[in-house]
Amino acid sequence: QITLKESGPTLVKPTQTLTLTCTFSGFSLSTSGVGVGWIRQPPGKALEWLALIFWDDDKRYSPSLKSRLTITKDTSKNLVVLILTNMDPVDTATYYCAHLREGDGSSFNAFDVWGQGTLVTVSS
Amino acid sequence: DIVMTQSPDSLAVSLGERATINCKSSQSVLYSSNNKNYLAWYQQKPGQPPKLLIYWASTRESGVPDRFSGSGSGADFTLTISSLQAEDVAVYYCQQYYNTPWAFGQGTKVEVK
Repeated sequence: QITLKESGPTLVKPTQTLTLTCTFSGFSLSTSGVGVGWIRQPPGKALEWLALIFWDDDKRYSPSLKSRLTITKDTSKNLVVLILTNMDPVDTATYYCAHLREGDGSSFNAFDVWGQGTLVTVSS
Repeated sequence: DIVMTQSPDSLAVSLGERATINCKSSQSVLYSSNNKNYLAWYQQKPGQPPKLLIYWASTRESGVPDRFSGSGSGADFTLTISSLQAEDVAVYYCQQYYNTPWAFGQGTKVEVK
């Protein structure tokens, strides 16, 4: 059974750096074809894709946030870290990590299992 | 970048009636080498994370009731709930995973009339 759980601060100040951790079980990020993504959702608004990391350390970022985003993995600890610098109140959102479906011969796939999300508020 | 546009933004359907949600991508998400449409549908209920319903535009995820179906190809897609149940009240999102940056539609809120 695949599970993911996000953790990190619930409140950050403007200009600070946000570090979120996605701790997962039921799969390994050292297995060929596996990937994990981050998605966020401002209160009452739509989902926004942020970043992806694959088993081979291929990383993809949202162009609008690329200069502020870093995604890394620690395969030995089964976790993925998302760093977002220079936080602003518009970055207030629930941040989700999610597992990419495996198989079908494509590394690009839908998100089949999501964490519960963590609400991050940016305020002074 | 591919932009996903859903219609309508909201709809109210009587219990037992059909609900239809449309999703249009700004360019085709059909990958010619494998003939797959890189399009997914998610359901999100209040206070919950999204749940995968459909992938490859028309393949139902395991455990998803068969009243949910996806159709379409290229740049035009549809999610149909054949007989709306009370538990289907939610916001539905389409998402393209054809190329990065991946993108979601703005969401369609489904309510009971």
